[in-house]
Amino acid sequence: RKEVEQDPGPFNVPEGATVAFNCTYSNSASQSFFWYRQDCRKEPKLLMSVYSSGNEDGRFTAQLNRASQYISLLIRDSKLSDSATYLCVVNRGNAGNMLTFGGGTRLMVKP
Amino acid sequence: DAGVIQSPRHEVTEMGQEVTLRCKPISGHDYLFWYRQTMMRGLELLIYFNNNVPIDDSGMPEDRFSAKMPNASFSTLKIQPSEPRDSAVYFCASSSPLADNTDTQYFGPGTRLTVL
Repeated sequence: RKEVEQDPGPFNVPEGATVAFNCTYSNSASQSFFWYRQDCRKEPKLLMSVYSSGNEDGRFTAQLNRASQYISLLIRDSKLSDSATYLCVVNRGNAGNMLTFGGGTRLMVKP
Repeated sequence: DAGVIQSPRHEVTEMGQEVTLRCKPISGHDYLFWYRQTMMRGLELLIYFNNNVPIDDSGMPEDRFSAKMPNASFSTLKIQPSEPRDSAVYFCASSSPLADNTDTQYFGPGTRLTVL
């Protein structure tokens, strides 16, 4: 079983749609959670951290369920510019600042 | 403020040649990571350093791979001899978890390596 599992997609949605991505992780000791965004042929960039209480940044909402070891990302009012691969990321629960990256979910927003 | 800098951006070489990838982390960051990304395997951690000291190299594929960090502002990843299966994008990332109070890592633009 992979440490961080995501549906690879692609998710093809029209502009303005709401889309949700899910991710599960296997390491119960993980303490930090993130969503990164990676554009084609570019480096991963931090989209947002994920907190236990859930958090929102504009059109993006992230949720964490520690009991189920499940993380989600909701994107409202999708824009063409949201087309990218979204990587679910968790730390390894040790003091070494190591992160484990999921395989990514590809989103394509179409006009 | 400059981000993580990597060079070269693209490298095409022939099987058996030595390849050296370079990275300059963000100034003040005390952690440096080397990753490899392929379609088949995704993003894999190869090795990471803390305060210039290698901490975990369990992700290094085999003895052909080596990494050094001679000072806080420079690291290299060397492949000798290179093989076609080493073709991938190699990313360097840095972080400063104590100063930033987060595990967030900042990635360089990557080196796209093709071994013929």
